[in-house]
Amino acid sequence: GEDVEQSLFLSVREGDSSVINCTYTDSSSTYLYWYKQEPGAGLQLLTYIFSNMDMKQDQRLTVLLNKKDKHLSLRIADTQTGDSAIYFCAESIRDGQNFVFGPGTRLSVLP
Amino acid sequence: DSGVTQTPKHLITATGQRVTLRCSPRSGDLSVYWYQQSLDQGLQFLIQYYNGEERAKGNILERFSAQQFPDLHSELNLSSLELGDSALYFCASSPGYGNTIYFGEGSWLTVV
Repeated sequence: GEDVEQSLFLSVREGDSSVINCTYTDSSSTYLYWYKQEPGAGLQLLTYIFSNMDMKQDQRLTVLLNKKDKHLSLRIADTQTGDSAIYFCAESIRDGQNFVFGPGTRLSVLP
Repeated sequence: DSGVTQTPKHLITATGQRVTLRCSPRSGDLSVYWYQQSLDQGLQFLIQYYNGEERAKGNILERFSAQQFPDLHSELNLSSLELGDSALYFCASSPGYGNTIYFGEGSWLTVV
């Protein structure tokens, strides 16, 4: 069945780069997404990538997609304390009819 | 601000009761999704509507029901509430198939 997996926790020091990894199962996914959830808030769309792309860069964020391995990663450069949040990976499935979310990776940024 | 509005933001109710959560999608969005987020289950997809019709069903309990009205707002009805139903309930919307979904701020439900 459809499944998205992520590691649950990541700690980095302020100023370092963070890399959050995700694996998904639906090879027909059209889009893959990263969402950010801050405490007590909803899920905020950070970025997304089309399945025919390998990389997308948006300021401090870099998304890498390895379609062969069904692996997606989000790199945050110069991580700040404000980046502390839960990051969800998601894929669109069944030709975009629905979305499957991973369990979320809790990023802690240490001073 | 995503443009998706959910009410109420917080709700405390007793076991056995029934509540209704309301969602107004972004202007022009036809699809509405409901998700439940609890500490032990993560983000669980409940149900999706597209232009008033049910399109997909996830892990939604029989005690729960939803509908999407002609003006495209949606309601999630939770009945015979149990302690384990305490969670954050999210509504999300999208223009249609294959588009990005945008989340509301959620409705915190506490069952005591």
